[in-house]
Amino acid sequence: KQEVTQIPAALSVPEGENLVLNCSFTDSAIYNLQWFRQDPGKGLTSLLLIQSSQREQTSGRLNASLDKSSGRSTLYIAASQPGDSATYLCAVRLDTGNQFYFGTGTSLTVIP
Amino acid sequence: ETGVTQTPRHLVMGMTNKKSLKCEQHLGHNAMYWYKQSAKKPLELMFVYNFKEQTENNSVPSRFSPECPNSSHLFLHLHTLQPEDSALYLCASRNIAGGSETQYFGPGTRLLVL
Repeated sequence: KQEVTQIPAALSVPEGENLVLNCSFTDSAIYNLQWFRQDPGKGLTSLLLIQSSQREQTSGRLNASLDKSSGRSTLYIAASQPGDSATYLCAVRLDTGNQFYFGTGTSLTVIP
Repeated sequence: ETGVTQTPRHLVMGMTNKKSLKCEQHLGHNAMYWYKQSAKKPLELMFVYNFKEQTENNSVPSRFSPECPNSSHLFLHLHTLQPEDSALYLCASRNIAGGSETQYFGPGTRLLVL
């Protein structure tokens, strides 16, 4: 069974800092990996999707990388803003099946 | 975001009650999902429907009963729940015919079982 781990569980940074969130997974036979954002009491919003054949994806201040062989992905957030405060989750989909495996998330607080 | 809606947003029920959660997607998608999100735990996939057919049942107790009458609507019928079933229940949809991998989530129903 795929295990997805996110470190750290919580992170607090001052506004303007660049930061990195980590995601690791045990089964490298993945189809893709996604990063989501979840605001308190709300559903998830997809931020970036990386196919297994890709190394990274970028959207604005966000950059996600994927190292499939080592079972790792990082989400880089540049010039953090208070509005970035949320929980960030990564999810992987295996080559087989229709299931997405989620991590427990990193709760980010950006202090003005 | 109104692409995927869920009702009710909050629900308190006793262990002997019967209630239903509703999910509706307005995106023209053809796959729908139920997830359970408990504190300090990863999202747990419960059920998957592709083109109205159930394709995944992740060993979910029979006190949870899904129903997908059409590709736009998904229900989760609840009966004789336990306090440990208290959680945020999230619905998601995806366009598998279009090859999209992105799931669109609803805001969730916060369930408390007393």
